[in-house]
Amino acid sequence: DAGITQSPRHKVTETGTPVTLRCHQTENHRYMYWYRQDPGHGLRLIHYSYGVKDTDKGEVSDGYSVSRSKTEDFLLTLESATSSQTSVYFCAISEVDREAKNIQYFGAGTRLSVL
Amino acid sequence: KQEVTQIPAALSVPEGENLVLNCSFTDSAIYNLQWFRQDPGKGLTSLLLIQSSQREQTSGRLNASLDKSSGRSTLYIAASQPGDSATYLCAVSLTGANNLFFGTGTRLTVIP
Repeated sequence: DAGITQSPRHKVTETGTPVTLRCHQTENHRYMYWYRQDPGHGLRLIHYSYGVKDTDKGEVSDGYSVSRSKTEDFLLTLESATSSQTSVYFCAISEVDREAKNIQYFGAGTRLSVL
Repeated sequence: KQEVTQIPAALSVPEGENLVLNCSFTDSAIYNLQWFRQDPGKGLTSLLLIQSSQREQTSGRLNASLDKSSGRSTLYIAASQPGDSATYLCAVSLTGANNLFFGTGTRLTVIP
């Protein structure tokens, strides 16, 4: 699992409440990503980070913000959750292997339900 | 925008059969293509990665091929086993970018 831990693993919340998901990695990887997975859409990139305090938007960033104050933690925040943000959220890191291949490794996911 | 398509969406085969999963992408300027496996309720496990300069990669019973010019990749699984049952996802990375564009996957069931 490349040392990736997502928390919480499951969360149920109400519309309009703020929610923060945490991704923690233990191997000092520079790049970290947040994706969401929905039926019929595959995984789509929300935001990514290329270093401490360096982040950028992905394909579906509206309604989400991220922060990375230290290398090991990448936080995803839903400022005011909506039912359309019910999804499974995956964190990933990328690592360049000995053959110079940039491989992404994924966490186990967080299942979020917004009622 | 890169679009990635996987056909079929679901596939059932008897144990022992060889099978091919298909992936197509619209923008041929890819950096690499990665095949993943996802078990129900779990995260993604990287199976194979093919650089844009490569034609194929092999790992055990798995062989992935890449034809950039036609925008296609295949994942060949030899002598399928019930333990191969999972959803298989393909994803491409564009040149100069790090994020992946995913297909919606093929759900494989291998029947004992």
